Amino acid sequence: NAGVTQTPKFRILKIGQSMTLQCTQDMNHNYMYWYRQDPGMGLKLIYYSVGAGITDKGEVPNGYNVSRSTTEDFPLRLELAAPSQTSVYFCASSYPRTGNTEAFFGQGTRLTVV
Amino acid sequence: GQQLNQSPQSMFIQEGEDVSMNCTSSSIFNTWLWYKQDPGEGPVLLIALYKAGELTSNGRLTAQFGITRKDSFLNISASIPSDVGIYFCAGPAIQGAQKLVFGQGTRLTINP
Repeated sequence: NAGVTQTPKFRILKIGQSMTLQCTQDMNHNYMYWYRQDPGMGLKLIYYSVGAGITDKGEVPNGYNVSRSTTEDFPLRLELAAPSQTSVYFCASSYPRTGNTEAFFGQGTRLTVV
Repeated sequence: GQQLNQSPQSMFIQEGEDVSMNCTSSSIFNTWLWYKQDPGEGPVLLIALYKAGELTSNGRLTAQFGITRKDSFLNISASIPSDVGIYFCAGPAIQGAQKLVFGQGTRLTINP
């Protein structure tokens, strides 16, 4: 049971570089999310998607882009990396039914921008 | 937007002690979720609550959905070393049930 898989696990970027954080889930969940977690802090929602072709901004979307071409995949794109984007990024998915919103998380991608 | 406030922010206890933590919101929630995050890992769902007044257990963990719908409580009985971690409450933002918002977490440290 793979669940939610994120790659890479670790990455160091130089300021101004770009990269894509990959996320895939095999649970046929239609909702997917990207969160960031700064040291000692809770999770802040970056973007989310309620299904293929539909995405929307969360609390902290600036500096990021997403796409959702399939149910399984929800990549997060950083176009011009900045030190403020140093964080741990978590992808999650859920299959809300009758109001249930239990989200299942990947193991995270630790990104450092130098 | 909606905010969830967790308290305490951190706890230092002896092994075997019981633990209580809570989560409050300025607005009504229809769902309360409790997650645990181990170091270097993603959050794992512990308990989900869907009805005001609901009391649900998962082993030594018990969580309650407050009657006012603005708070929730998590208790851990007879703590053991593997209970160490950060505990988060979460719930769907009022703007859309698909947007989960998280509290800032309660960090639990256990002295053996």
